Amino acid sequence: QSALTQSRSVSGSPGQSVTISCTGTSSDVGGYNSVSWYQQHPGKAPKLMIYDVSKRPSGVPDRFSGSKSDNTASLTISGLQAEDEADYFCCSYADYYFFVFGPGTKVTVL
Amino acid sequence: QVQLQESGPGLVKPSETLSLTCTVSGDSISTSNWNWIRQPAGKGLEWIGLISTSGSSDYNPSLKSRVTMSVDTSKNQFSLRLSSVTAADTAVYYCARRVVVVVGATRYYHYAMDAWGQGTTVTVSS
Repeated sequence: QSALTQSRSVSGSPGQSVTISCTGTSSDVGGYNSVSWYQQHPGKAPKLMIYDVSKRPSGVPDRFSGSKSDNTASLTISGLQAEDEADYFCCSYADYYFFVFGPGTKVTVL
Repeated sequence: QVQLQESGPGLVKPSETLSLTCTVSGDSISTSNWNWIRQPAGKGLEWIGLISTSGSSDYNPSLKSRVTMSVDTSKNQFSLRLSSVTAADTAVYYCARRVVVVVGATRYYHYAMDAWGQGTTVTVSS
């Protein structure tokens, strides 16, 4: 089971903004600025969208942004597009672990 | 552009050892650290472990007693062995590269993975 918790699903219409939350503890999300977010389409490998809480890798649209407050990290998708429909997993460095993942949030574009 | 490709048996018998290899192309394996992650069908991601080309490794504490990772720099490959498998080890197994940012002569290693293989399905069944 995951040490991090995420909302099971979120939805929005094209053009709207949605925010996904990822809650941990001071031993992971709250203790380190090492939160990353991955997008996964069905049958595909995960894709890195955000690392170090808010940094975007080259090629990731600036519609994707990340933030953190205390033990909760967030991924916001602005100007939602049909291709954004996917599962999103948060991940954090954690004490005694390199990487611990959340259970994933399904984003549905209405 | 780096590419990673997992390979290995798709079916392993219970109590036996699962062995997978990840072949890296388009980049030297010496430029980063390398990870294994798995995902049971319909479920979330689980980090298995990480290895550097110096040979140092870190494993998920929940799997540590059964996991061994190795690297072959001459073949640009790294490998995973998971012993005493059960049906609970049935999953898609991914290999992935750790994010490294180079600034001048310094390599900064980040806690994220920016290149993934397509994944390989391993089923544990007799």
